[in-house]
Amino acid sequence: AQTVTQSQPEMSVQEAETVTLSCTYDTSESDYYLFWYKQPPSRQMILVIRQEAYKQQNATENRFSVNFQKAAKSFSLKISDSQLGDAAMYFCASAQTSGNTPLVFGKGTRLSVIA
Amino acid sequence: GAVVSQHPSRVICKSGTSVKIECRSLDFQATTMFWYRQFPKQSLMLMATSNEGSKATYEQGVEKDKFLINHASLTLSTLTVTSAHPEDSSFYICSAGSGRGGTQYFGPGTRLLVL
Repeated sequence: AQTVTQSQPEMSVQEAETVTLSCTYDTSESDYYLFWYKQPPSRQMILVIRQEAYKQQNATENRFSVNFQKAAKSFSLKISDSQLGDAAMYFCASAQTSGNTPLVFGKGTRLSVIA
Repeated sequence: GAVVSQHPSRVICKSGTSVKIECRSLDFQATTMFWYRQFPKQSLMLMATSNEGSKATYEQGVEKDKFLINHASLTLSTLTVTSAHPEDSSFYICSAGSGRGGTQYFGPGTRLLVL
């Protein structure tokens, strides 16, 4: 079974600064995917970034990047040049390689951005 | 691409009535869809996996006779909350995998309030 742990219930960052959200996971699968989803006040789940476990290169999407440490089973999200619109709940999730398996979510980290 | 719609977005009903929530994949076919429930300030809790043309798979503790799931086509899954009670009030979210690399796309959610 897969488990995902987010140890930071809340984080805050000054506008334009950088913040890192932590995530660790556990899985017996040799191949899997890791995700960060954002849930703003509208509660729509939005995919932020995706990492394939077999790829050593860290995924990046504009201001968002991950630090994927496979041996340590760590998958942190770095947000650079934080904007007010980044304020949201962030969920780390894992899934087996097939698109037909459910996501396993962490408990989430609430990010506040201070103007 | 990869858009999932959900209807209705909000529903208020009387205790004892049934409510149907629809989840549609608009631009891709989804053999599998997932239904989650989310309480305020908490993570998503998987309720069931909906498989096109076959019975849904329910998570432990989820009453299959209360939460009826039907996946009649490759683009539509429905969740019916039967004989709803106030404790069923929650935010219900569906997701669908496009089959591409484990990524799931989420509907905007349905807020259910049972009076």
